[in-house]
Amino acid sequence: DTGVSQDPRHKITKRGQNVTFRCDPISEHNRLYWYRQTLGQGPEFLTYFQNEAQLEKSRLLSDRFSAERPKGSFSTLEIQRTEQGDSAMYLCASSSRDFKETQYFGPGTRLLVL
Amino acid sequence: GIQVEQSPPDLILQEGANSTLRCNFSDSVNNLQWFHQNPWGQLINLFYIPSGTKQNGRLSATTVATERYSLLYISSSQTTDSGVYFCAVEGDYGGSQGNLIFGKGTKLSVKP
Repeated sequence: DTGVSQDPRHKITKRGQNVTFRCDPISEHNRLYWYRQTLGQGPEFLTYFQNEAQLEKSRLLSDRFSAERPKGSFSTLEIQRTEQGDSAMYLCASSSRDFKETQYFGPGTRLLVL
Repeated sequence: GIQVEQSPPDLILQEGANSTLRCNFSDSVNNLQWFHQNPWGQLINLFYIPSGTKQNGRLSATTVATERYSLLYISSSQTTDSGVYFCAVEGDYGGSQGNLIFGKGTKLSVKP
């Protein structure tokens, strides 16, 4: 069990560019979550997958955001036409089959939009 | 939606002191977790505790679900305990969504 991993750890981009982040969950965890955290705040839920199915999306997830989890393994989060307000830490978490189990978080991807 | 309030927002301790962090939530929950976020941003699981009491070394936690609060106790604090402590809950909606709702955290600074 190597834990949840995320790539890249840091990303600096110019406004209007597209960015994509990757999350590899703990193996055999069937639930995968994306959260966003801005400075001084707690993480906020964006979306989650059970296996390859995206089951819930927050209203925070505008149409510029898209997430996928092909084959129910790793997940990608893409932000199109980035805005300065997208600057944040993007966190991924995974949990096991029983939905009441603990969510384990990755180290996050810190995005800065200039 | 469910509201999560943590107190105090900031706490400064001398090394060796004890502290209690509080988390109040506005509705019944399926899941409650305490996390420590280190200076690099990593969220580290401390406890999964929707009810009852658990202990892990110098840390312990108690959740009284019927009264909708949870407490995190830190004893004999060390400088490495510094960081932000988050409480997060998953609402009990029947068909649970699974997503956690976080409080704003308690920022703890332990001075040597």
